Amino acid sequence: GAVVSQHPSRVICKSGTSVKIECRSLDFQATTMFWYRQFPKQSLMLMATSNEGSKATYEQGVEKDKFLINHASLTLSTLTVTSAHPEDSSFYICSATFTSVSNEQFFGPGTRLTVL
Amino acid sequence: AQTVTQSQPEMSVQEAETVTLSCTYDTSENNYYLFWYKQPPSRQMILVIRQEAYKQQNATENRFSVNFQKAAKSFSLKISDSQLGDTAMYFCAFASYNAGNMLTFGGGTRLMVKP
Repeated sequence: GAVVSQHPSRVICKSGTSVKIECRSLDFQATTMFWYRQFPKQSLMLMATSNEGSKATYEQGVEKDKFLINHASLTLSTLTVTSAHPEDSSFYICSATFTSVSNEQFFGPGTRLTVL
Repeated sequence: AQTVTQSQPEMSVQEAETVTLSCTYDTSENNYYLFWYKQPPSRQMILVIRQEAYKQQNATENRFSVNFQKAAKSFSLKISDSQLGDTAMYFCAFASYNAGNMLTFGGGTRLMVKP
């Protein structure tokens, strides 16, 4: 149980285009979903936290107009990178939680974005 | 704000040997969780072990155990009988009871298990 999927696993796009990444909790309803960015050989950097039906909370330094997060249901959150540029190339990971007791996050397999 | 520090960027161990990864954290809170996550080359984050701060007993999961020293704010991970499949990045993480499941990660330790 507690499986989180991400789609696509890899995406290559041209500079200036927008890219949408989906994060789904497959066997549970996620109360909260998180979006992380990870540069090579570095730790995970939290970008934003989203709860179903409400606006995402962005971490300091993350442009909310560039990284649009929609959490339309308890099983789906999307991250849209708008007007992508080469510096947006990175590994993006989502996670989800369904309990406020253990604080455990269940992670998706990640999406590698390459902007040409 | 909480901080998590992993002072060993890279470590290596011979197969079947034991290795300990260090983690220290800073917080003013009394109730929290600590985690060790593994990220193998596939980059899928996998929970290795979890410790609740109010529990004095150190958590264990098969070959993985922790040494939780609350006063010292230390949370090290011991891997016994290391296996080649243990080769991965290991991240220590902190979560406050009151932070809505938010995790603060350490910088990670790259572990290489050598045959």
